[in-house]
Amino acid sequence: TQLLEQSPQFLSIQEGENLTVYCNSSSVFSSLQWYRQEPGEGPVLLVTVVTGGEVKKLKRLTFQFGDARKDSSLHITAAQPGDTGLYLCAGGSNDYKLSFGAGTTVTVRA
Amino acid sequence: DSGVTQTPKHLITATGQRVTLRCSPRSGDLSVYWYQQSLDQGLQFLIHYYNGEERAKGNILERFSAQQFPDLHSELNLSSLELGDSALYFCASSPRQGRGNYGYTFGSGTRLTVV
Repeated sequence: TQLLEQSPQFLSIQEGENLTVYCNSSSVFSSLQWYRQEPGEGPVLLVTVVTGGEVKKLKRLTFQFGDARKDSSLHITAAQPGDTGLYLCAGGSNDYKLSFGAGTTVTVRA
Repeated sequence: DSGVTQTPKHLITATGQRVTLRCSPRSGDLSVYWYQQSLDQGLQFLIHYYNGEERAKGNILERFSAQQFPDLHSELNLSSLELGDSALYFCASSPRQGRGNYGYTFGSGTRLTVV
């Protein structure tokens, strides 16, 4: 059973369009991380958010942590083919475990 | 190169066999985490070691065991292998044993196929 639910499961868009991926949970997390994974490789950390309501921007990527620290979103502006990959959210807790969502597969068509 | 080294990259073995997966964490990182990734289960936390000591256990089967050595490298031992153990096994490291506040650096994984 996944503690973190990601939606949508799959997303296919045209280059230049915007997209948003959601990560929701009924649990409160001490931190929320987003990773991107490409085929045959391990996940690569994109960002860590720790404060409720926190917004972080990384070039065309905007990450938001919900006020109650139970949910997060990732927004990509003007998506490019290089943004293609599996996006994973992960929640940190007081028992030193990082729990991952099932991921959103994003495909950006040129 | 993430700095986390996993060997071997691919492993094909028969049911009932035992294998050992090896992980060298990024230089300076004291924590090592093992995860299993399969198509139907996603990334599942197996076990966490910090500076040689076990800190947390997840959904790790009794047939599986791990340890972290004084030089901080870690090994995951999988025994009495079953077809369902076929998956990608990832090792990740982090500087400390924080509550997820410290980003994990993942290796490229070991793809285990049990036939």
